[in-house]
Amino acid sequence: EDQVTQSPEALRLQEGESSSLNCSYTVSGLRGLFWYRQDPGKGPEFLFTLYSAGEEKEKERLKATLTKKESFLHITAPKPEDSATYLCAVQATSGSARQLTFGSGTQLTVLP
Amino acid sequence: GAVVSQHPSRVICKSGTSVKIECRSLDFQATTMFWYRQFPKQSLMLMATSNEGSKATYEQGVEKDKFLINHASLTLSTLTVTSAHPEDSSFYICSARRGETDTQYFGPGTRLTVL
Repeated sequence: EDQVTQSPEALRLQEGESSSLNCSYTVSGLRGLFWYRQDPGKGPEFLFTLYSAGEEKEKERLKATLTKKESFLHITAPKPEDSATYLCAVQATSGSARQLTFGSGTQLTVLP
Repeated sequence: GAVVSQHPSRVICKSGTSVKIECRSLDFQATTMFWYRQFPKQSLMLMATSNEGSKATYEQGVEKDKFLINHASLTLSTLTVTSAHPEDSSFYICSARRGETDTQYFGPGTRLTVL
């Protein structure tokens, strides 16, 4: 069974204080690892897809990296508007409809 | 990125009534749409997967007679909560993707409150 564990559950940062969010996964065969951002009362917003170990992707202050066991979402010099819940999900190479298996998320709060 | 809409964004209904939620992919054809449920401070729970023109596949524990899903076209899927009860109150989110190897794009969600 595919499993995704995110840590920490919650993270409070001062504006400008860089940090990383962790996503550990167990999957029979990884087709892709996805990062989403979710604001309160809204649907998840797509950020990145990573396909193979060693891959990195960047968008503004966010950089996602991938190894064979985990992914990190690095946040550089965060701003208050980066406050949100960040969700990690994996998609296996086989299985019913190739669904996404989500982690429980990391709630990030960036204080001004 | 692709755009997925949901309607309504909020609905309040009386116990025993049925509620229909629409999910539309606005700028692409979605071969597969997914319906999720999310409780406060929890992650997304997949309820069912629907492919255009075929019956939905429900996850274990989800009552298919209570949560009716119709995926009539490549841009529209509907979720009908039948005979709603207060315990059905939740945040319902749909997602859509073009093909099996494509990214899922999510709608903005529908807040259902059953009185």
